[in-house]
Amino acid sequence: EAGVAQSPRYKIIEKRQSVAFWCNPISGHATLYWYQQILGQGPKLLIQFQNNGVVDDSQLPKDRFSAERLKGVDSTLKIQPAKLEDSAVYLCASTQGAQGNTIYFGEGSWLTVV
Amino acid sequence: GNSVTQMEGPVTLSEEAFLTINCTYTATGYPSLFWYVQYPGEGLQLLLKATKADDKGSNKGFEATYRKETTSFHLEKGSVQVSDSAVYFCALSDRGNSGYSTLTFGKGTMLLVSP
Repeated sequence: EAGVAQSPRYKIIEKRQSVAFWCNPISGHATLYWYQQILGQGPKLLIQFQNNGVVDDSQLPKDRFSAERLKGVDSTLKIQPAKLEDSAVYLCASTQGAQGNTIYFGEGSWLTVV
Repeated sequence: GNSVTQMEGPVTLSEEAFLTINCTYTATGYPSLFWYVQYPGEGLQLLLKATKADDKGSNKGFEATYRKETTSFHLEKGSVQVSDSAVYFCALSDRGNSGYSTLTFGKGTMLLVSP
């Protein structure tokens, strides 16, 4: 079974530039998450989708971050304009949805803002 | 709200030593509990999980028991190997404000095992 796919794996941009990350979840997984992991910290939830609807975006900095999952399958996360403090690993994850089900993570997209 | 507290690292051990990484949690409901592992340069991998009180999760020689009375889920391994060197994250899954499951992570504990 294919895992959660993410791209690009690595990205270096200058501050105030924009960047987009793509995620393709495991087939059949209705719930998709984007997490931000800053070096030395645990992952923090940015946004959660159920199919193509947003169910939690309370911690998403909406002035610069946006995300969509138009057809309920793959998703994109965009940052515009980027700040130095956005340097982090952006993790996409998916699950079938029921509590206790395993949430599977992709390898992450590593962003450095200089 | 929900929270997870882990012991701070790094934890430095010699090969074949006994490992304990402490994890306690705060949750309003009845969460499921997880340990994830992150090897250098890689994403998070599920190590083990427990979905109800007194359940024991185990995998690759690691184990953890869901203790509701002490709100704990400590990770243990009887004999660590150099290849176990990684960052370990304790996490809980509960129905958030959305009504859907979401993971809340601890800050992670780095384990360094020397030959």
